Amino acid sequence: QSVLTQPPSASGTPGQRVTISCSGSSSNIGSNYVYWYQQLPGTAPKLLIYRNNQRPSGVPDRFSGSKSGTSASLAISGLRSEDEADYYCAAWDDSLSVSFGGGTKLTVL
Amino acid sequence: QVQLVQSGAEVKKPGASVKVSCKASGYTFTSYYMHWVRQAPGQGLEWMGIINPSGGSTSYAQKFQGRVTMTRDTSTSTVYMELSSLRSEDTAVYYCARGGILLFRVWGQGTLVTVSS
Repeated sequence: QSVLTQPPSASGTPGQRVTISCSGSSSNIGSNYVYWYQQLPGTAPKLLIYRNNQRPSGVPDRFSGSKSGTSASLAISGLRSEDEADYYCAAWDDSLSVSFGGGTKLTVL
Repeated sequence: QVQLVQSGAEVKKPGASVKVSCKASGYTFTSYYMHWVRQAPGQGLEWMGIINPSGGSTSYAQKFQGRVTMTRDTSTSTVYMELSSLRSEDTAVYYCARGGILLFRVWGQGTLVTVSS
């Protein structure tokens, strides 16, 4: 059972905008930054969003992050077939550990 | 370029120990904490712990306390993760990942550890 809660699945059609939620508590999301990762099958995860809403260089601006209270969201606009992957949220916890969400499998219909 | 290269796949029997290495290159080894994350087949990501390559201090997830040991060798820019008393549920891909502001921006390629009798 993951500390952060994500929906197990999400879907959208090409060009659509989809959002993935991540719910936590005051000890993790509520008081620390949120990070988002994309994982394609058989590969290591890739950092998409850091510090709630910042994109590393090379990540398209179709990906955006937000945070409010103890919840966060990842939005993907202009959905493409190559966005089909697993997405994970993560946050430091005040206990000096890192918590991950259970992951959301995104299907592009 | 910044790179983390891990050791190869391992097959272990229940009760044994495994030690996975992660060699860093392309940056100052002692400037970034290193984390270990594992992923069981078909499952999500699970944080195991962190090591400060500069002083060697560590912090482990409560789940692995007493079973995991993380160490580093600054002369070779390598961190190690040893997991003992292996059981079938420890079958997973183990990743090292660099810390910092861009948390887990850099990952190793992963090491598959299979625990089977």
